[in-house]
Amino acid sequence: DSGVTQTPKHLITATGQRVTLRCSPRSGDLSVYWYQQSLDQGLQFLIQYYNGEERAKGNILERFSAQQFPDLHSELNLSSLELGDSALYFCASSVRTSGGANTGELFFGEGSRLTVL
Amino acid sequence: GESVGLHLPTLSVQEGDNSIINCAYSNSASDYFIWYKQESGKGPQFIIDIRSNMDKRQGQRVTVLLNKTVKHLSLQIAATQPGDSAVYFCAEKWNNFNKFYFGSGTKLNVKP
Repeated sequence: DSGVTQTPKHLITATGQRVTLRCSPRSGDLSVYWYQQSLDQGLQFLIQYYNGEERAKGNILERFSAQQFPDLHSELNLSSLELGDSALYFCASSVRTSGGANTGELFFGEGSRLTVL
Repeated sequence: GESVGLHLPTLSVQEGDNSIINCAYSNSASDYFIWYKQESGKGPQFIIDIRSNMDKRQGQRVTVLLNKTVKHLSLQIAATQPGDSAVYFCAEKWNNFNKFYFGSGTKLNVKP
């Protein structure tokens, strides 16, 4: 158990809909990262938050947004869903963070599997 | 097998043999590298890491080698076991950036 909790584990929805994925980082970790993994693909970095603020942005679509709350949990919002958005969405938190810069490995949750029909 | 492109290369080894999984990373300024193991339906799990000021690091049954000259990373697994069957990803962190970039992965099949 990595200590990172993601909900829901599975989600099935229709095109055009909007969903919210939730992540609770490891206790004490200030940074949260979101990654997308499509079938048999690598992990695509979406976005990183540190202590409530956006710190780094990857290939995140404009239809997607995220935020990190004062209690450090994070949500990834996916809207106007398309078939191609079906994927595993992983949240990760970092073990050691100094001033927002990651100095150690990422610990991943079990992922949220999104299926868009 | 080397992780390139969008396909998932597969490495098949016999139980008890040693495995070598390769990764070509992209940025010569990367200062930190990690190998992750991902079992089916699970999140990636940390295996071993190495910083750019080192060229070799050993863990329990695993060794990571870093060749900065050719931007190459390898993971060696000694006495491979069926439980080692998984997809293995290398990740690089660009110096002064917060982002980890992951390779496309190599699938390791261990035959009993």
